[in-house]
Amino acid sequence: GDSVTQMEGPVTLSEEAFLTINCTYTATGYPSLFWYVQYPGEGLQLLLKATKADDKGSNKGFEATYRKETTSFHLEKGSVQVSDSAVYFCALFLYGGATNKLIFGTGTLLAVQP
Amino acid sequence: KAGVTQTPRYLIKTRGQQVTLSCSPISGHRSVSWYQQTPGQGLQFLFEYFSETQRNKGNFPGRFSGRQFSNSRSEMNVSTLELGDSALYLCASRRDSNNSPLHFGNGTRLTVT
Repeated sequence: GDSVTQMEGPVTLSEEAFLTINCTYTATGYPSLFWYVQYPGEGLQLLLKATKADDKGSNKGFEATYRKETTSFHLEKGSVQVSDSAVYFCALFLYGGATNKLIFGTGTLLAVQP
Repeated sequence: KAGVTQTPRYLIKTRGQQVTLSCSPISGHRSVSWYQQTPGQGLQFLFEYFSETQRNKGNFPGRFSGRQFSNSRSEMNVSTLELGDSALYLCASRRDSNNSPLHFGNGTRLTVT
């Protein structure tokens, strides 16, 4: 079945360090891919998206490229800040009829220390 | 533009009771979905409504139900509550077009004692 696998956390980094959170997926068909972020006590915020192979999503310094050949959508940021501390979820969505739903990875907790 | 609004933010119920959660989608969004988030199971899809009809359903027992009104607002009901129903319940809305992302509310935190 369709699934998303992302790296286990927590990921602990110092401020201004480089961030990579790995995400791979399995899907029948051609999914759209998303990264959502969840801050403590809040819901999920859409961080970025990519809808087809080789698309690059970007927002707030975060980037991820839809790699069909490796079925991956790794999240990167060149210089993290303390305010980036949150849980990050990779997700896929298959559009159309009965399959309209997000399938999430387990989430990766990022802790950035000053 | 107002985001997805969920009420109430917090609920405490006892086993055997029933509960109703409410969700107002972003204006113009006709698709509303519900997800359950727990530490053990992560984020799981409950159901999706579109034009007052349930279009898709996850693997939850019949105690979990929902409905959507003509203004796209949605409610979710859980009957005969169990301790394991304690979770954050998230509502999300989107435009019904390909590649349109889901936008989530802040959730309702349900605690069953």
